[in-house]
Amino acid sequence: DGGITQSPKYLFRKEGQNVTLSCEQNLNHDAMYWYRQDPGQGLRLIYYSQIVNDFQKGDIAEGYSVSREKKESFPLTVTSAQKNPTAFYLCASSVPLGPYNEQFFGPGTRLTVL
Amino acid sequence: AQKITQTQPGMFVQEKEAVTLDCTYDTSDPSYGLFWYKQPSSGEMIFLIYQGSYDQQNATEGRYSLNFQKARKSANLVISASQLGDSAMYFCAMREGSGTSYGKLTFGQGTILTVHP
Repeated sequence: DGGITQSPKYLFRKEGQNVTLSCEQNLNHDAMYWYRQDPGQGLRLIYYSQIVNDFQKGDIAEGYSVSREKKESFPLTVTSAQKNPTAFYLCASSVPLGPYNEQFFGPGTRLTVL
Repeated sequence: AQKITQTQPGMFVQEKEAVTLDCTYDTSDPSYGLFWYKQPSSGEMIFLIYQGSYDQQNATEGRYSLNFQKARKSANLVISASQLGDSAMYFCAMREGSGTSYGKLTFGQGTILTVHP
């Protein structure tokens, strides 16, 4: 089955540690995105990538880093510079030139920093 | 300035009745797309419906329809014959299409819909 996987579903880390969230897709989509969602809020864009080896900052990129070495993978690192990293993180992918360009989402990773 | 505004934090509807979830947007780009997503308590985001800025007719997908009023910059979601499984958070989102921004979505704050039996 084609889809987007994010692992792990729940992640706990100590303050000051970097942590990497995984996102893999087998939909053959060119574009991938990372969003952050805080309780009761909408999604905010952290980073996005439209092709391999290229990515752009979204609205809240500070304290985060990404890489896009393979089409299928777009890992997100939450660094110790991110002041309030506890949140729900969603990865998405899309076909940039599709009719709707709707984004397909993974199941999300809930990160808690203790 | 807010690009997507959902003014209803929560809505209640009786099972089998219709409900309208409001969404207004703000953009100066003539080319844009409007999306509605459903987020159940599990957290996944499910794409429901899309309306393009140049589409002449309102979009429909099964029990979902989008009431698109371009001059008012509103894109309300109408769910007909509500079901208990429709209880979820609903997000309106906009894509402004031009250059490298193509594909980026801006989301509203969401509306929690509760369907009563």
